[in-house]
Amino acid sequence: AQSVTQLGSHVSVSEGALVLLRCNYSSSVPPYLFWYVQYPNQGLQLLLKYTTGATLVKGINGFEAEFKKSETSFHLTKPSAHMSDAAEYFCAVSGSGGYQKVTFGTGTKLQVIP
Amino acid sequence: GAGVSQSPRYKVAKRGQDVALRCDPISGHVSLFWYQQALGQGPEFLTYFQNEAQLDKSGLPSDRFFAERPEGSVSTLKIQRTQQEDSAVYLCASSSPSGGSNTGELFFGEGSRLTVL
Repeated sequence: AQSVTQLGSHVSVSEGALVLLRCNYSSSVPPYLFWYVQYPNQGLQLLLKYTTGATLVKGINGFEAEFKKSETSFHLTKPSAHMSDAAEYFCAVSGSGGYQKVTFGTGTKLQVIP
Repeated sequence: GAGVSQSPRYKVAKRGQDVALRCDPISGHVSLFWYQQALGQGPEFLTYFQNEAQLDKSGLPSDRFFAERPEGSVSTLKIQRTQQEDSAVYLCASSSPSGGSNTGELFFGEGSRLTVL
């Protein structure tokens, strides 16, 4: 079974500051890892994903995440926060190959202060 | 269609009523998922379809919850005798246009918000 833990249900950053959202995973098999973003009253949208290969993955809107197997982490970063980044972010994990259920974390709400 | 479409967007039900929530996935997507998202929580898996076959229903919280996808496209999630704890946003997602190996990239609808009074 796979699971993810997101540290911090709320994170506040100033506009232009670094964004760091933390995610640790637990998986008995090589995982696929994802970050999704949810804007108010909308569905979730994929930001980026790690499946195999390069451990540093780049996504939309300037976000990136690094898969660190030794730390079982997949933290999301963005060098400079923009007001439009204010949303809720979900880390997710699945197993690899065939049908695999995608399991989500509890989410981190990002506030960007002008 | 261009995206995953869900209806109704908002539903208010009295406790004990039955409700039906509809999901129209992206055309050609073989896989369809239902998730339940309670206030302030992440999405919790309910059930999965590959075409018309319901391959995983391990997340359905009780036998009051039932899902179907009879022709392998549109899906309906039905909740019988609704309870207050059923209040949540129900999200539908589709994926895997080829029906092959699931890379886990899900395309979500905007959800159906159910409030049970």
